[in-house]
Amino acid sequence: TQLLEQSPQFLSIQEGENLTVYCNSSSVFSSLQWYRQEPGEGPVLLVTVVTGGEVKKLKRLTFQFGDARKDSSLHITAAQPGDTGLYLCAGARLTSGTYKYIFGTGTRLKVLA
Amino acid sequence: DTAVSQTPKYLVTQMGNDKSIKCEQNLGHDTMYWYKQDSKKFLKIMFSYNNKELIINETVPNRFSPKSPDKAHLNLHINSLELGDSAVYFCASRSLGDEQFFGPGTRLTVL
Repeated sequence: TQLLEQSPQFLSIQEGENLTVYCNSSSVFSSLQWYRQEPGEGPVLLVTVVTGGEVKKLKRLTFQFGDARKDSSLHITAAQPGDTGLYLCAGARLTSGTYKYIFGTGTRLKVLA
Repeated sequence: DTAVSQTPKYLVTQMGNDKSIKCEQNLGHDTMYWYKQDSKKFLKIMFSYNNKELIINETVPNRFSPKSPDKAHLNLHINSLELGDSAVYFCASRSLGDEQFFGPGTRLTVL
């Protein structure tokens, strides 16, 4: 069962444009993480948001956790070719004393120079 | 020095064979995971270990058997490989601060 839906699934934009990726669920999570994955490599953690309504900024990337802790968004300002990659959100749930991570369906971003 | 390493990077084998993938982390973390990423890039948790003890088993076929000889290592053995097992398998370790560090992945192709 797909619990975390990401949109859009694919995004191709020109360098300098802004974009937003959404991660939606009907379930509540303890925290929400965003990762970027490049071809042939493992996902790399970008940020973790924990509190409902929390906003975190990482240079040109802005992450927001929904008030109800069910959804999140990633906004990139002035995208650059180096931002190209697969973006994954992951919701954390405490299960048997450890965290289980449910990953989203992924958003493939291509930024053209 | 690589934080989470996996071997082999690529594995091509025939249906019905048995194979193993090894994972090691030098981060001192207690918790490690195995994930499977399919051809559509969907990443799904398979197992979680905490200090050598199995904590999460996500209804994975019992042909898949993880083993953790110590908390720095989590290996995955797969018996009687099937075509549907073809995927990229990722090992990850998690810090107390809820940060996951992924290995580079093992691309398994079953012919």
